[in-house]
Amino acid sequence: QQQVKQSPQSLIVQKGGISIINCAYENTAFDYFPWYQQFPGKGPALLIAIRPDVSEKKEGRFTISFNKSAKQFSLHIMDSQPGDSATYFCAARETSGSRLTFGEGTQLTVNP
Amino acid sequence: DGGITQSPKYLFRKEGQNVTLSCEQNLNHDAMYWYRQDPGQGLRLIYYSQIVNDFQKGDIAEGYSVSREKKESFPLTVTSAQKNPTAFYLCASTAVSNQPQHFGDGTRLSIL
Repeated sequence: QQQVKQSPQSLIVQKGGISIINCAYENTAFDYFPWYQQFPGKGPALLIAIRPDVSEKKEGRFTISFNKSAKQFSLHIMDSQPGDSATYFCAARETSGSRLTFGEGTQLTVNP
Repeated sequence: DGGITQSPKYLFRKEGQNVTLSCEQNLNHDAMYWYRQDPGQGLRLIYYSQIVNDFQKGDIAEGYSVSREKKESFPLTVTSAQKNPTAFYLCASTAVSNQPQHFGDGTRLSIL
């Protein structure tokens, strides 16, 4: 079974700080790496995604950094806000299909 | 509003009983997916369907069954063979394989 390893499992950040969540994968056939944000009792919502032909993608306060040689990618949340408190999942999709493999999730708490 | 509707939001199952979770989408998406979410384990794929009248097993299909008689509907049955059914079940859909998956707001299944 293909795996995506995510860390840390939980993260506490002060308001205004930077939140960093890391993921690593082994399957070189992955070609699409989305991040999802999930609030309690809700389904995950797509936050930002990247393909391996770029090393960084930024959307507002959210940035994905991608290191193809190391098979690692990370989510950076700048100026973290209490409203960012949620569970974040990284995922990866194989070139040949539509299935996503998810990381274990990171529960982020941003203290006011 | 276009989206994915899962019902019911909460469901209780008695021992030895089969229960069916509903997933309906009005996004005209071809592919639909069922995931199971347990604390600390991320999302695990149960079944998926890329076209009507066809579906494939995911990573944890044992004890579950699905049907795809209509493009907009992909119900999941949790059978009595599933010995640990208590979880949060999420349905997702996507237009084509290179598009992001969109999620419903889930059904939480508990055992009485």
